[in-house]
This record gives sequence, C-alpha cells and structure tokens, in this order.
Amino acid sequence: ETGVTQSPTHLIKTRGQQVTLRCSSQSGHNTVSWYQQALGQGPQFIFQYYREEENGRGNFPPRFSGLQFPNYSSELNVNALELDDSALYLCASSLGLRDAYGYTFGSGTRLTVV
Amino acid sequence: AQRVTQPEKLLSVFKGAPVELKCNYSYSGSPELFWYVQYSRQRLQLLLRHISRESIKGFTADLNKGETSFHLKKPFAQEEDSAMYYCALTKTSGGGADGLTFGKGTHLIIQP
Repeated sequence: ETGVTQSPTHLIKTRGQQVTLRCSSQSGHNTVSWYQQALGQGPQFIFQYYREEENGRGNFPPRFSGLQFPNYSSELNVNALELDDSALYLCASSLGLRDAYGYTFGSGTRLTVV
Repeated sequence: AQRVTQPEKLLSVFKGAPVELKCNYSYSGSPELFWYVQYSRQRLQLLLRHISRESIKGFTADLNKGETSFHLKKPFAQEEDSAMYYCALTKTSGGGADGLTFGKGTHLIIQP
C-alpha cells in the first residue's frame, strides 16, 4: 500500500509567477485536500476535492485553484505568486468526505517565493 | 468560524513525568476533535480522535464540551514522545467540507 506522495519537494519561484504542485493520493482514497503551513503555524485548509469536484474551500483567494483527476491524483495551482505564499504545502487523502476515515498526509512541497 | 487554540508553543518535561498538552476550541456546532503528531523528519499523522475514545501510545484525550477543551494527556512521558503536536477540529454535519482547522501546535520535548 503506497502513501501520499507530493512533488516537487522544494521549489523556488519569483513573485508574479505561477506554480503547480502535484499529489498522488494513497491507494483506494477518493478524497484529496490541500493545506498551507506557514512557518510556526498549523496547517491551514485551502480546499478539498471529492470525485474530481471541489466540495469545500477555506479562506483563500481564487488564484489558488486545483484539479483532481480520474485516478484521484491532484494538482494545486497558484497564480500571481506573492511573497506570503512562501510555505509548506501539504496534501492529504482520505476515503470519504470527512476525516472520520482518517486523513493520510504527504511530506509536503516547500515553496519559496522571492 | 471555528478556531483551535494551543496556548503552549513549547512544553518541556522530564522522562517519567506526566504530560498534558492543552487544546481549547471555539465552534458553534458539534465538532469532531483530533490530535495529530509530527515526529522529527516524518510526516503529519493522526494520533487519536475523540469519537474513538481510545488510548494510543499511552495518550488519551477527553472532549469537555462545557470547557470546550480537548487536552492530551499521558501519565508517564517517554523520550520517543518528543514531537510536534497539533490539535484539530472539523465539523460533523452540514454540506460541503471545511477540512481540518488546526491549532498552531505545541513542541513537546522530553528530557532524559
């Protein structure tokens, strides 16, 4: 059984650029959610995808968007990068809509915006 | 909007001493509470959830709705308990998903 894998592990981008982060969910999991973790903070919910549709969103602007594919893998896209977007981005997968089934987290992608 | 507060950024105790990591929450509905743990160089993982009423690695947590708290306790700390601990909340009803709302975390250090 494979866990959640994220790529790349580290990324440096320039302010104003666009970035795509990728996540492969754990085998059998149909729900993927993304979190942003700034330094010294807890993870903050960005959005969740269930069966290829967004079904929940946190307090993030529209320039944060996502996709989920038929194999349940997912992408997080961020447009017009700002310095404050520098953070660890975590992907989590689960079987079902709520954490009642248990989220499995990836190791994250460290994004630095300069 | 829901909020989770972990008042201690850092907690240092000696091996064998009792441990209590505090967590308070605010939420208008009926929440589900969790504790997540991140050991050094490892990914975030679920430690326990209040609906299971279980003890994991000697840790327990009781949901106190009157005090809106979900403190994590262990009677005798071990060195391998050193880690970052996050309290988290999610809603249990209603449409859509709000994901998990995390606290800022408490860094637990167990001294030998």
